[in-house]
Amino acid sequence: ETGVTQTPRHLVMGMTNKKSLKCEQHLGHNAMYWYKQSAKKPLELMFVYNFKEQTENNSVPSRFSPECPNSSHLFLHLHTLQPEDSALYLCASSQEADYEQYFGPGTRLTVT
Amino acid sequence: EDQVTQSPEALRLQEGESSSLNCSYTVSGLRGLFWYRQDPGKGPEFLFTLYSAGEEKEKERLKATLTKKESFLHITAPKPEDSATYLCAVQANDYKLSFGAGTTVTVRA
Repeated sequence: ETGVTQTPRHLVMGMTNKKSLKCEQHLGHNAMYWYKQSAKKPLELMFVYNFKEQTENNSVPSRFSPECPNSSHLFLHLHTLQPEDSALYLCASSQEADYEQYFGPGTRLTVT
Repeated sequence: EDQVTQSPEALRLQEGESSSLNCSYTVSGLRGLFWYRQDPGKGPEFLFTLYSAGEEKEKERLKATLTKKESFLHITAPKPEDSATYLCAVQANDYKLSFGAGTTVTVRA
């Protein structure tokens, strides 16, 4: 595996379900990010982890819970989501916080 | 608040018809400006980083330039495979990264 991988690629969940998104980077980077991408809107930064420590939580609702067990893995735990949470969720990594970011392919989430 | 505005929203070009995309920004101290390309159903792919006014970067048919208030992405003699959404992002001195909504480019053969 190379670059940034994300699983699953597609996810359909009900509002009462609990699911997790997984991201893994094979680039030896120290920073990892979660973004939300909705149609016709700019990418919204959700969370930033630098050396496994959360350095930014961009006013994200508590129904989204990130976890970064090591510098290569990042999870986004989801529970009691709303239909408006349906979007493409992108993971990215960078060497340091001020370097260019490399993105995974995303998870297309649909909340029914 | 940092703001990034990209124009136009959509651009339709004939193969070989050169054009430019605009990214205007207001930021509290620019650390860097990034250009990405995004194909449908995929994550953004890094193209360029620009750090200071006057800087230029080139890659194949793409050339990015930077002034104190905006950046341009010039596409010279585009081909159908250049069709994609091009995203601009600015990073402020506090390391926050703000993205524009993108310009969707369609190149017809």
